[in-house]
Amino acid sequence: NAGVTQTPKFQVLKTGQSMTLQCAQDMNHNSMYWYRQDPGMGLRLIYYSASEGTTDKGEVPNGYNVSRLNKREFSLRLESAAPSQTSVYFCASSERGTPGTGELFFGEGSRLTVL
Amino acid sequence: GENVEQHPSTLSVQEGDSAVIKCTYSDSASNYFPWYKQELGKGPQLIIDIRSNVGEKKDQRIAVTLNKTAKHFSLHITETQPEDSAVYFCAASKGGAQKLVFGQGTRLTINP
Repeated sequence: NAGVTQTPKFQVLKTGQSMTLQCAQDMNHNSMYWYRQDPGMGLRLIYYSASEGTTDKGEVPNGYNVSRLNKREFSLRLESAAPSQTSVYFCASSERGTPGTGELFFGEGSRLTVL
Repeated sequence: GENVEQHPSTLSVQEGDSAVIKCTYSDSASNYFPWYKQELGKGPQLIIDIRSNVGEKKDQRIAVTLNKTAKHFSLHITETQPEDSAVYFCAASKGGAQKLVFGQGTRLTINP
């Protein structure tokens, strides 16, 4: 089993460009999440999907949109990238409905640079 | 909302010695406290967690202690080995519809 797979692993964008980060999990988990990791700030939740068909905002949702395409896939879209969105993005999944009630399984991350 | 503070931000210990990382949280209703380990170029991985009805939990060389009165919890690693070098994150949550809040991370380096 691959676990949680993210693509791309690296991306460089110019300010104003758009892009989508893809995430897929093969553990049949109900819940999926997108986090961003910045130096000295830990991991911050952008959006999550407690189950197929639902999405909710996390701590830092501004500038992002998400789509829960099916049970396996959860994508994160930046419509108009800004330098403040330069970060490492992690997708995660869990069996239970919301963060904080079960183990999170993380992908290996996507490093995004916005110039 | 919940706020989690983690200290120190960097920690360097000699191989074989013990390492302790401490976290404080602000919301007394938080009841779930996991610790994640992130190796270079990888995503975080859960190494141990504790719930508020327990004061201490051990798993081989790692242990977590929780003091609900003082609202702090700590990760203890004994007999450290080179493979323990990583970034460690604590987190806290009230569970249910609440979100998991992470600390800022501690970069642990084990010196041979």
